[in-house]
Amino acid sequence: EDQVTQSPEALRLQEGESSSLNCSYTVSGLRGLFWYRQDPGKGPEFLFTLYSAGEEKEKERLKATLTKKESFLHITAPKPEDSATYLCAVQAHSGNQFYFGTGTSLTVIP
Amino acid sequence: KAGVTQTPRYLIKTRGQQVTLSCSPISGHRSVSWYQQTPGQGLQFLFEYFSETQRNKGNFPGRFSGRQFSNSRSEMNVSTLELGDSALYLCASGTSGSNNEQFFGPGTRLTVL
Repeated sequence: EDQVTQSPEALRLQEGESSSLNCSYTVSGLRGLFWYRQDPGKGPEFLFTLYSAGEEKEKERLKATLTKKESFLHITAPKPEDSATYLCAVQAHSGNQFYFGTGTSLTVIP
Repeated sequence: KAGVTQTPRYLIKTRGQQVTLSCSPISGHRSVSWYQQTPGQGLQFLFEYFSETQRNKGNFPGRFSGRQFSNSRSEMNVSTLELGDSALYLCASGTSGSNNEQFFGPGTRLTVL
């Protein structure tokens, strides 16, 4: 069964304190792994797509990496405005359905 | 380019009623997916439509249904509402092409009393 597990559930960081969020997945043939950011009361905002192991993508203070079993979202020198819930999703080759993890709630303290 | 729009943004209904939610995808996107988001369960996939055909369906009861029109706009209907249907309903559109990215709307917050 395709599934996605994110850890930790919640993370509190001091401003400038770098860390990583984890997304582990089991899927029969990965078509793509997606990272989203969601602010309270809003829809998820697309961040990255990763397609194959070894791939990396960066955007400002965020960097996403992918291995055969997991993905990491590295946050370098975070700022309070990076506070949000970060969601990971996978899509298998066998269908078009996206499977989402339950997210990591990140709080960055000034 | 305008983003995904959903209407209404907020809705309050009572048990037993039915509700219809609407989603207009990004121009040029032919795939529309619907999700239910609750604090305990996260995002749960409801169904996906592509070119007016339901292409995938999640594990929700038959009270949840949808359709897509020729202009790619989609509607979702929930009949005989239950308290547990209270959630944020999100619509996502995509090209379903090689990059396969999905872009979400702001959601409709449904409260069932």
